[in-house]
Amino acid sequence: QKEVEQDPGPLSVPEGAIVSLNCTYSNSAFQYFMWYRQYSRKGPELLMYTYSSGNKEDGRFTAQVDKSSKYISLFIRDSQPSDSATYLCAMRDNYGQNFVFGPGTRLSVLP
Amino acid sequence: GAGVSQTPSNKVTEKGKYVELRCDPISGHTALYWYRQSLGQGPEFLIYFQGTGAADDSGLPNDRFFAVRPEGSVSTLKIQRTERGDSAVYLCASSKTGQGSSYEQYFGPGTRLTVT
Repeated sequence: QKEVEQDPGPLSVPEGAIVSLNCTYSNSAFQYFMWYRQYSRKGPELLMYTYSSGNKEDGRFTAQVDKSSKYISLFIRDSQPSDSATYLCAMRDNYGQNFVFGPGTRLSVLP
Repeated sequence: GAGVSQTPSNKVTEKGKYVELRCDPISGHTALYWYRQSLGQGPEFLIYFQGTGAADDSGLPNDRFFAVRPEGSVSTLKIQRTERGDSAVYLCASSKTGQGSSYEQYFGPGTRLTVT
């Protein structure tokens, strides 16, 4: 079992839909949780981060962490074609600098 | 300001050759990371520098891989005796020092390495 799992997709939705992206993980020591967006042939770009459990909202994006279930989510409201990209979750514990990434979910938002 | 830059953007080399990949971090960022990303996978941690020293090199797959950051800015990832399995995109990221802000990693566009 990999340390961080993510449905690779592809996930196709119509423009304006609410998108739900998820990751599960096995290491209960993880405390920092990040979501990155990666366009084709580009480096990942940080979208959201959360420390420990809870929700965080930023514009159309909401990140949720449920540490009891070892499950994190990213919701995108009013999705746009420009949101079409691969979404990566990443996480680490309190002490190390070693970020562990999921394999990414490829999202297509159709106009 | 300028972001993280990486050169070359693409590198094709023959099996067994030596390659160097360069990363220019954001000015003032003391932390620098190297990752490797294979097709359809997330970035895989290789090594982390804090200043000039490698604080964590636990992700380097074997002794053919080595990285330096002699002046605490530019870093070079060196791969000896390249193998076809080394083909991947090599990503560099930098961040400000301090545990509270170290989640804010800024990635470069990557170097696509192809070993033939």
